Amino acid sequence: NAGVTQTPKFQVLKTGQSMTLQCAQDMNHNSMYWYRQDPGMGLRLIYYSASEGTTDKGEVPNGYNVSRLNKREFSLRLESAAPSQTSVYFCATRGETSYEQYFGPGTRLTVT
Amino acid sequence: GDSVTQMEGPVTLSEEAFLTINCTYTATGYPSLFWYVQYPGEGLQLLLKATKADDKGSNKGFEATYRKETTSFHLEKGSVQVSDSAVYFCALSAGSNYKLTFGKGTLLTVNP
Repeated sequence: NAGVTQTPKFQVLKTGQSMTLQCAQDMNHNSMYWYRQDPGMGLRLIYYSASEGTTDKGEVPNGYNVSRLNKREFSLRLESAAPSQTSVYFCATRGETSYEQYFGPGTRLTVT
Repeated sequence: GDSVTQMEGPVTLSEEAFLTINCTYTATGYPSLFWYVQYPGEGLQLLLKATKADDKGSNKGFEATYRKETTSFHLEKGSVQVSDSAVYFCALSAGSNYKLTFGKGTLLTVNP
């Protein structure tokens, strides 16, 4: 039972490159979330998905796209990376009867 | 909109000292309140929660009481240990989509 897994753990991109961050969960949760963490800013919600096939924008969606491929997987795509997207990205899930969110270990992304 | 304001760090304490990290919030309706902890290099873990006024959340010696009249949820521990060194986030969840709004985080360092 791995909980929430994220790949890759680390990534360095050049400005303008694209990449997809992967998140998978084995907790059978419907709701999944993508956050970014920046120094002095806490965590800010990028996108979330309340169920398979649905996605909604969070606080800072610009420059990102998401796909809820199935109940287990929720990916975050950067089409044209910018230095402002240098951050640590966290995926999280939530069960139906609880407010608690369960977080993955994070992906540290650097855009040069 | 919803917001969380927490004590700015960093906070440095000696082992066995008393800890308080202040947290106040602004929200519509009746939010649930949380403290999350992030150990170095890891994702966030739920430390404790409270879902209604006057509830006290507790875990691992940490406590926080939901004070509706002062819109506060201060984190306390009577005797900190070196292993408590981490970043602590106050958060709230309000509304039907269960999104979390985080404070900026407080870095706690406990010295032996």
